[in-house]
Amino acid sequence: AQSVTQLDSHVSVSEGTPVLLRCNYSSSYSPSLFWYVQHPNKGLQLLLKYTSAATLVKGINGFEAEFKKSETSFHLTKPSAHMSDAAEYFCVVSDLLIQGAQKLVFGQGTRLTINP
Amino acid sequence: GAVVSQHPSRVICKSGTSVKIECRSLDFQATTMFWYRQFPKQSLMLMATSNEGSKATYEQGVEKDKFLINHASLTLSTLTVTSAHPEDSSFYICSARVQDRGLDEQYFGPGTRLTVT
Repeated sequence: AQSVTQLDSHVSVSEGTPVLLRCNYSSSYSPSLFWYVQHPNKGLQLLLKYTSAATLVKGINGFEAEFKKSETSFHLTKPSAHMSDAAEYFCVVSDLLIQGAQKLVFGQGTRLTINP
Repeated sequence: GAVVSQHPSRVICKSGTSVKIECRSLDFQATTMFWYRQFPKQSLMLMATSNEGSKATYEQGVEKDKFLINHASLTLSTLTVTSAHPEDSSFYICSARVQDRGLDEQYFGPGTRLTVT
């Protein structure tokens, strides 16, 4: 079964400094990997996804993630944090259900706090 | 982009009663919808996969008689929590699968916070 581990439950950075949210995955085959963001009282929003194309994936709002097979990692980064980035972030791996639907397996989440 | 709505956004009910949560895809048709549960400060756990016109597929450990799922149309899935108990209090989130022109993604609703007193 596929799984993901988010290495930090809480990350705090200052506005304007880089953001790094760490994620390691476990998969028996080449996985699809995602990062989602959850703002309070809002639905989950897809930031980016990796589906075996380019290993460096660019997402929305300046985020990007790099798929490293040798390290089984898919860390999320952003060069300069903004106050609006404060939210809960989930690393997600897909697992195939019957009929080809993807079952999403969520990591434990990382709460990102931005300090003024 | 694809929009998924949930109703109600918050509900409080008494122990022993049933409550229904609706999940709608507003601008697309979804043959597959998913129901998740999220405990405070925890991750999302998949409860069941709902396919239009057929029975839902439940994850291990999820009671199908307690969490009734109906996917009667291509834009609506409902989750009914029957004989609710305080331990059923949680945040319930649905998602709908979009398949179009090579795209295969899930779009999430804003969630429903259930409190059982």
